[in-house]
Amino acid sequence: ETGVTQTPRHLVMGMTNKKSLKCEQHLGHNAMYWYKQSAKKPLELMFVYNFKEQTENNSVPSRFSPECPNSSHLFLHLHTLQPEDSALYLCASSQDAGPYNEQFFGPGTRLTVL
Amino acid sequence: AQKITQTQPGMFVQEKEAVTLDCTYDTSDQSYGLFWYKQPSSGEMIFLIYQGSYDEQNATEGRYSLNFQKARKSANLVISASQLGDSAMYFCAMREGRGTSYGKLTFGQGTILTVHP
Repeated sequence: ETGVTQTPRHLVMGMTNKKSLKCEQHLGHNAMYWYKQSAKKPLELMFVYNFKEQTENNSVPSRFSPECPNSSHLFLHLHTLQPEDSALYLCASSQDAGPYNEQFFGPGTRLTVL
Repeated sequence: AQKITQTQPGMFVQEKEAVTLDCTYDTSDQSYGLFWYKQPSSGEMIFLIYQGSYDEQNATEGRYSLNFQKARKSANLVISASQLGDSAMYFCAMREGRGTSYGKLTFGQGTILTVHP
């Protein structure tokens, strides 16, 4: 049973749509992450938030806009996406953003951009 | 250079047998953490086991153990007594303790494990 939930689990959107992915963690953690997993590629870190502050933006295009209103919630706002953005988007959390804490992942949102 | 290398795209094992999944890593840091995750077809990433760079003992968690050879920079996952439910993709990952990579979790390409009855 995971302490990290993500909604929606599946999303199909057109290139002109605006949608948001939601992540919530119930573990009392202070760091949250967005990852992108494309077919046949390793997981790519997108954003890191530590104590609600963004500490990492891994050269992500501006059509992806993260928001972290508190330590338990993380959003990824999507607009004018491209078909190549279709992927599994995974949210994770850890006690903090240091190197010794394991990250716990949510089930992911499978995104398809038409 | 890749920071995490998993050289086995796919592995097969008979049920109840042990299997080793290979992982080598590249870092100049003395302080880092190594992790293994399991990803079933449902997509969720499940944390399995952790090894800190300063840990002298190999990590173990139930049927999972990590064969940590620091000088060789390898962190192989050993699954004992394989079960059909172990069939999944397995990822090795590293978090470094210093520099611009501080705290970032870098994943390998993954190994697909198939357990045969």
